[in-house]
Amino acid sequence: QVQLVQSGAEVKKPGASVKVSCKASGYSFTAYYVHWVRQAPGQGLEWMGRFNPSSGGANYAEKFQGRVTMTRDTSISTAYMEVSNLTSDDTAMYYCARTYSSGGGDVWGQGTKVTVSS
Amino acid sequence: QSALTQPASVSGSPGQSITISCTGTSSDVGAYNYVSWYQQHPGKAPKLIIYDVTMRPSGVSNRFSGSKSGNTASLIISGLQAEDEATYYCNSYASTSTWPFGGGTKLTVL
Repeated sequence: QVQLVQSGAEVKKPGASVKVSCKASGYSFTAYYVHWVRQAPGQGLEWMGRFNPSSGGANYAEKFQGRVTMTRDTSISTAYMEVSNLTSDDTAMYYCARTYSSGGGDVWGQGTKVTVSS
Repeated sequence: QSALTQPASVSGSPGQSITISCTGTSSDVGAYNYVSWYQQHPGKAPKLIIYDVTMRPSGVSNRFSGSKSGNTASLIISGLQAEDEATYYCNSYASTSTWPFGGGTKLTVL
């Protein structure tokens, strides 16, 4: 079946980086975009960026420009999102989602909890 | 502050219909028919219920429908059921090549 499986929970110290993976199965990995979305505890959804697994290109939300990098490994159908220079404000659940070209995310990963604490 | 504006909460009784609005600008909601709606239950990943303003993914109940007028998109839920109690988010493409979300609307079924 079509699914996205994300890497496990992470605990990081302020200033560190975290790299979250999102492994696709059941469909052609390069045929759909991948959006990354995060949700801080008790807060709403926040769009981080959109990644094109076919070209390797990405669009990032302005607030994450220069601090977030989206990549992929097509040989294992996996997308990655790395966030650098972490602060406590980055403590959140991070999701990847397979999306249509018009943006609707029809398949979501289970989420990866990232905790930033000294 | 979210780019798209939603009411913080709405409520309705079982069987009733409710509408959730999502107000943007002429650079996002008003400019493109790329509005999606998501339902999220506590502790769960979001679920797509409407895309491209009015389209329903396979398996989503026809009690959910979407529309748009000018810079405001709307989600309509008819025949409210207890299981509809959740938080709903809108999402739209914007001319800056970004996809902002609304702040979310908590639906309470009375």
